[in-house]
Amino acid sequence: AQSVSQHNHHVILSEAASLELGCNYSYGGTVNLFWYVQYPGQHLQLLLKYFSGDPLVKGIKGFEAEFIKSKFSFNLRKPSVQWSDTAEYFCAVISNNAGNMLTFGGGTRLMVKP
Amino acid sequence: DVKVTQSSRYLVKRTGEKVFLECVQDMDHENMFWYRQDPGLGLRLIYFSYDVKMKEKGDIPEGYSVSREKKERFSLILESASTNQTSMYLCASSLSRGGRGHQPQHFGDGTRLSIL
Repeated sequence: AQSVSQHNHHVILSEAASLELGCNYSYGGTVNLFWYVQYPGQHLQLLLKYFSGDPLVKGIKGFEAEFIKSKFSFNLRKPSVQWSDTAEYFCAVISNNAGNMLTFGGGTRLMVKP
Repeated sequence: DVKVTQSSRYLVKRTGEKVFLECVQDMDHENMFWYRQDPGLGLRLIYFSYDVKMKEKGDIPEGYSVSREKKERFSLILESASTNQTSMYLCASSLSRGGRGHQPQHFGDGTRLSIL
């Protein structure tokens, strides 16, 4: 069965530290990849998405993600985090081999210390 | 801006009750989704709908049903609530572009449901 893995459940960083959150998926075919963010008390929002083309995708608020097809990965990065980046981050994948349903990873809770 | 509205932020019900969770979107989206969000498990798809009166099972449909009588409204029904259905329930909607579900989804604020 298809699955999406986020290996870090909790990450704690100091402000200005660099961030990389891992995301791996387990199925092939054509994939569309997403990162969503949920700030405390708010609804899920789209951070960035990859459909095709340049595998390095730029999103909002200085986030970027790189699709590496050979590694089945779509890691999220930010060079310098801020306290306001404290949130839960979800990786999600749609594959045409998986009924075109969006599958979410388990989420990574990021805390940025001021 | 897309608005997805869930009727309740918090809901407390008793075991065995029939529970209705309502979701309305205002952007004429074809696709609508119901998820439950549990710590460490992320979001798991319960049901989705790609058109009025159409529905498809997601990953965890057992114990749930849905209704889509109008394009803007998608209801989740717990036929006989049980304590293991205590969770955060999220509704989402998206446009169709060719295949189902490839457009980014827009989420509501969630309904935190407790079954006692």
